[in-house]
Amino acid sequence: KAGVTQTPRYLIKTRGQQVTLSCSPISGHRSVSWYQQTPGQGLQFLFEYFSETQRNKGNFPGRFSGRQFSNSRSEMNVSTLELGDSALYLCASSFSGSAVDEQFFGPGTRLTVL
Amino acid sequence: GENVEQHPSTLSVQEGDSAVIKCTYSDSASNYFPWYKQELGKGPQLIIDIRSNVGEKKDQRIAVTLNKTAKHFSLHITETQPEDSAVYFCAASRGGNQFYFGTGTSLTVIP
Repeated sequence: KAGVTQTPRYLIKTRGQQVTLSCSPISGHRSVSWYQQTPGQGLQFLFEYFSETQRNKGNFPGRFSGRQFSNSRSEMNVSTLELGDSALYLCASSFSGSAVDEQFFGPGTRLTVL
Repeated sequence: GENVEQHPSTLSVQEGDSAVIKCTYSDSASNYFPWYKQELGKGPQLIIDIRSNVGEKKDQRIAVTLNKTAKHFSLHITETQPEDSAVYFCAASRGGNQFYFGTGTSLTVIP
């Protein structure tokens, strides 16, 4: 069974630009969560989508947004990029929505903002 | 919200020795505590987890203990091997697939 895939793997942008990252969950998984990983802040929860609806949201500004499609694939968008947005963005999928169950992480997208 | 603290931030052990990583959490409603291993260039991988109705869980060389009263949980790796070298993260969740992570422990196993 294929794992979680994320595209692109690496991205370089400049301040003020916007970026869209993509995540394809494991087949059959309906929940997709996004995390930002930085050396200083560690892994921080951005948001979670289940059945095309945002169910949970972390403490990030409105520049960070996401969506989920009917096939469970998810995208996240960051507008008006800042230097501090440079990070590894991780996507994780899980099967169920109502109970806590195992999350499977993708390899991440490394975003560098210049 | 939940706050998870993890110690130590770095840990070096000789091959064959044991390694212990400790985490504390603040939200008494948290009921699920996974541990992840992250190797360079990869996403975190679940290695073991424990739920709040269990005090200890073991899987071969890896074990996790949970003390709900004290709000802390620990990862124990016995008979460490060089391939155990990685960054380890603890996490806590109260549900909804929203996880709070510790800041990570970089484990180095010296051959």
